[in-house]
Amino acid sequence: AQSVSQHNHHVILSEAASLELGCNYSYGGTVNLFWYVQYPGQHLQLLLKYFSGDPLVKGIKGFEAEFIKSKFSFNLRKPSVQWSDTAEYFCAGGHTGKLIFGQGTTLQVKP
Amino acid sequence: NAGVTQTPKFRVLKTGQSMTLLCAQDMNHEYMYWYRQDPGMGLRLIHYSVGEGTTAKGEVPDGYNVSRLKKQNFLLGLESAAPSQTSVYFCASSYSVYPAGEYQETQYFGPGTRLLVL
Repeated sequence: AQSVSQHNHHVILSEAASLELGCNYSYGGTVNLFWYVQYPGQHLQLLLKYFSGDPLVKGIKGFEAEFIKSKFSFNLRKPSVQWSDTAEYFCAGGHTGKLIFGQGTTLQVKP
Repeated sequence: NAGVTQTPKFRVLKTGQSMTLLCAQDMNHEYMYWYRQDPGMGLRLIHYSVGEGTTAKGEVPDGYNVSRLKKQNFLLGLESAAPSQTSVYFCASSYSVYPAGEYQETQYFGPGTRLLVL
C-alpha cells in the first residue's frame, strides 16, 4: 500500500540550530514528492516539490530537501532556523492526482 | 488572483444537521480536492474531481457528498452531521503538465473551514 511517514512528531529547536525532518514514502513507480508548511492558524503553503532530475531541491525561505531513491526518503533541511519557522510541516507524495500526507511534524523554535 | 477560497471559515452544527462547504478557485484548474485534517493524522482525502461534472471517492468518503457543477467550484456536503466529522476541512486545486511525457502536478490549498459538530 502507498504510504508516507514522518519520523518526528514534535521537534523543539533553538534559533540558529540546523533542522532535518525525516520523510519516508512507500510507492511503486514514479512519485511526486512535496513538503508543505502550515503556520499557526493558516492554510498549507508549498515549501518545495520534487518531480525528477536533481535530487537536491531548493524551496522557499531557505528550505531544501534531498530525494534519496535507495532509501525512499525525502528529508527536509534548513541550515539555521528562525523563530518564524515555528509551524507544522507535512510531507506528501502522490502521482496522478491523489496525494498521501504524512502525519505532520510540529516544529517549535525557541528564540 | 484570489487562488483557492473556502466558505464558511467556521461553523458549528448540531448532530443531524446538514450543511454545504463551498470551494472556489480562479486558476482554471482541472482538478479539485477535499481533505480533512485531524490532529496526528495529517490530511486525508475525502473526495476529488478531475473535471467539471466528475467526482470520485478518496480515502474517507463516508458521510460526505460532493458536486462539481462548474469547473471553478467544488461543493462538499454533509447530509447528517456527526461529532466524528468535527475537523478542519481543506480544499485544494491543481493542474497537471507532462514535460517530456513525465507527469507533474502541484496542489494549492485554500484557507480551511473549521467545523464543530456538537
